[in-house]
Amino acid sequence: ETGVTQSPTHLIKTRGQQVTLRCSSQSGHNTVSWYQQALGQGPQFIFQYYREEENGRGNFPPRFSGLQFPNYSSELNVNALELDDSALYLCAFQGTHTEAFFGQGTRLTVV
Amino acid sequence: AQSVAQPEDQVNVAEGNPLTVKCTYSVSGNPYLFWYVQYPNRGLQFLLKYITGDNLVKGSYGFEAEFNKSQTSFHLKKPSALVSDSALYFCAVRDNSGYALNFGKGTSLLVTP
Repeated sequence: ETGVTQSPTHLIKTRGQQVTLRCSSQSGHNTVSWYQQALGQGPQFIFQYYREEENGRGNFPPRFSGLQFPNYSSELNVNALELDDSALYLCAFQGTHTEAFFGQGTRLTVV
Repeated sequence: AQSVAQPEDQVNVAEGNPLTVKCTYSVSGNPYLFWYVQYPNRGLQFLLKYITGDNLVKGSYGFEAEFNKSQTSFHLKKPSALVSDSALYFCAVRDNSGYALNFGKGTSLLVTP
């Protein structure tokens, strides 16, 4: 087990709705990243937070946003959901120069 | 940009035989390379990493990987495959910014009894 917890594990949303995914860790690592993994693909980097500030972003539109809290837990928010947003969303915690430890993911289905 | 390529969509091997899952990389500067494994409907589990040092890296569950700078490769290996090794394997490289992991498309490993 990686000690990274994501919630919920599954959810179904309607196109145009908004969704919030959550991620926490017991590790004490202060850097959290979010990835989108479409079916049959490798994970794609969405963004990263360090000390409650976004400090890196992949090729995702502004309707993908996030937060990091003082306890290092994090949220991913997606507005105006589209069908193509259906994917497994993974979060990962890491320390400096260490590997990333991933949660089990949230499976989002947009209908 | 840093990138990796996994040329094989699927690798099939009989239990007890050695396995190799291939990965090549394209980077500027020194690469930080990783292997992860993913079981169905699960997140990614870290197997091993190469940052610096010995070219042969040993990791979890008996896996190892060889860093080859001249061939820009980082192939994952195991001397004797188990049926339970059947899963999806991802090679990844850390981005220059230090933020992101750039993943390959994955290789499905099937170990048959």
